[in-house]
Amino acid sequence: TQLLEQSPQFLSIQEGENLTVYCNSSSVFSSLQWYRQEPGEGPVLLVTVVTGGEVKKLKRLTFQFGDARKDSSLHITAAQPGDTGLYLCAGLTQGGSEKLVFGKGTKLTVNP
Amino acid sequence: GAGVSQSPRYKVAKRGQDVALRCDPISGHVSLFWYQQALGQGPEFLTYFQNEAQLDKSGLPSDRFFAERPEGSVSTLKIQRTQQEDSAVYLCASSLYYEQYFGPGTRLTVT
Repeated sequence: TQLLEQSPQFLSIQEGENLTVYCNSSSVFSSLQWYRQEPGEGPVLLVTVVTGGEVKKLKRLTFQFGDARKDSSLHITAAQPGDTGLYLCAGLTQGGSEKLVFGKGTKLTVNP
Repeated sequence: GAGVSQSPRYKVAKRGQDVALRCDPISGHVSLFWYQQALGQGPEFLTYFQNEAQLDKSGLPSDRFFAERPEGSVSTLKIQRTQQEDSAVYLCASSLYYEQYFGPGTRLTVT
């Protein structure tokens, strides 16, 4: 059972465009993390959001955690070819377990 | 310091062979995790340790999978009698608090 649904699954855009990736669930998470993974490498942590309604900005990337802590979004402004990769959201479920539940990922391609 | 390292990076096994995958976590990290990532999918949890104690092994797909971390540092994931469906990337992560840092993974191909 996939607890985290990511959309879209694939996204191909031109350099300079804006985009938003969504991560949704019916479950509540104590925190949610966003990772970026390139081929042949492990996921690299981009950000962790903990508080409902929290917004974090990392240069051209804006991350938001839903008020109910069930969903999150990643917005990229003026995408660049270097942003190409697989974006994964992962949640820590409530109850004390440290294991992450991952979405299937969004494969982003930014064309020059 | 150095990140999480895994070895080997690539492993080809014939069906029925046993394999052992190694993970060296970031020094001082208490928790260590193993995930399995199939092609085109997100990672799926297998098991995790706090120091040498295996606290959750609910994700291990069968009793052919076994993990250990005897001294609370390096961990080994062992797969006995490999089958084709075991082909995947096996990722190791370590954490000190709740943020997990991943190694590059071991790509296992069972032929």
